[in-house]
Amino acid sequence: EVYLVESGGALLKPGGSLRLSCVASGFSFNTAWMSWVRQAPGKGLEWVGRIKSKSDGGTADYAAPVKGRFTISRDDSENTVYLQMDNLKSEDTAVYFCTLSPGGQFGYWGQGTLVTVSS
Amino acid sequence: DIQMTQSPSSLSASVGDRVTITCQASQDISNSLNWYQQKAGKAPKLLIYVASYLETGVPSRISGSGSGTRFTFTISSLQPEDVATYYCQQFHNLSGLTFGGGTKVEIK
Repeated sequence: EVYLVESGGALLKPGGSLRLSCVASGFSFNTAWMSWVRQAPGKGLEWVGRIKSKSDGGTADYAAPVKGRFTISRDDSENTVYLQMDNLKSEDTAVYFCTLSPGGQFGYWGQGTLVTVSS
Repeated sequence: DIQMTQSPSSLSASVGDRVTITCQASQDISNSLNWYQQKAGKAPKLLIYVASYLETGVPSRISGSGSGTRFTFTISSLQPEDVATYYCQQFHNLSGLTFGGGTKVEIK
């Protein structure tokens, strides 16, 4: 069975940095494309970014609102994907979900971790 | 980015009613569209992929159709367990995935 467990959510001030982690199990992580999707309180879903498997180049793509501030990386030896968030803004306040995203479908989701950015 | 416009944003229907949600893409996305269900306080769940294919375990009262720029999600007979928010999502541009704004479905 597929499990995705996010951690690292916190309350922090604007301009701060935070790294989220997502530990995966139940599938072949090293060949998986992984995404982060967020949901602001009471709002809809927003794709944050995605990292390809190393065999597919290992590159990451990002949504416009986070490009240049967020970085997705992976450690295949630890079955973990990370989301490094820098220069955080109040509008980054959201629950952040880690997802397994083969072929553009978000087939499996973690439970989410809450990031609150407030002065 | 490809914009996805969902309508209505909310609806209220009786048990047994047919419910239809529409998703319009800002450009031709072929059949590169998925539908998700999100219940309150939970992570979303994939229901339909590639516009019309039902994910394993999804009840047959749920269906999807469409191609190009206009897509439809239908619940043929609304059940209490279908109360949720539904989202469409395009994957025509794999470097810029986008969701619709969501449709909240309630029981009248």
